Amino acid sequence: GEDVEQSLFLSVREGDSSVINCTYTDSSSTYLYWYKQEPGAGLQLLTYIFSNMDMKQDQRLTVLLNKKDKHLSLRIADTQTGDSAIYFCAESGESDYKLSFGAGTTVTVRA
Amino acid sequence: ETGVTQSPTHLIKTRGQQVTLRCSSQSGHNTVSWYQQALGQGPQFIFQYYREEENGRGNFPPRFSGLQFPNYSSELNVNALELDDSALYLCASSSDTGQLQYFGPGTRLTVL
Repeated sequence: GEDVEQSLFLSVREGDSSVINCTYTDSSSTYLYWYKQEPGAGLQLLTYIFSNMDMKQDQRLTVLLNKKDKHLSLRIADTQTGDSAIYFCAESGESDYKLSFGAGTTVTVRA
Repeated sequence: ETGVTQSPTHLIKTRGQQVTLRCSSQSGHNTVSWYQQALGQGPQFIFQYYREEENGRGNFPPRFSGLQFPNYSSELNVNALELDDSALYLCASSSDTGQLQYFGPGTRLTVL
């Protein structure tokens, strides 16, 4: 989506940490999300964060939000081969019913 | 708990034809949203249905239409198919137009 931007590719060694970055333009965004899409599949909601939070941790996943810079990141600790997928950043507004997605970051985990 | 299901999985149509895609929402959810995902792109919002009424629409022409049924399942209809309609069509369900949307596996539509 034109309001959400992500880098297109990331290559990471198995066992290392991955960091996927996203920027958004809508200052009224209230929810920010990370979805995962494996080949030929739908989207899996990985995690989300409210705009009044700075950080959220969920097992191997850490989301950081810099609201001032409108920057969102997803860190995956101890990256595994099963983490190879396309990761989408998305946002929605307070009264907004739609998700606006970035173009996705393709993460490749190499042995 | 049953997740979001979509049918069919794949579909091939020719230009000018009409197509109907179906979605069953996750149990306990009353809102369905439809998205179009072209190859290599992120999903684009088509419209949302809440309590059988259209609750919002993205930048898609009127030949994209939908329905929601009393059991909260939904249909997406596309008339006068064009080559650019070839995409993965994703359905997502949520509770009371809530912003946590859970997606189905999608229907891959190919227009020849």
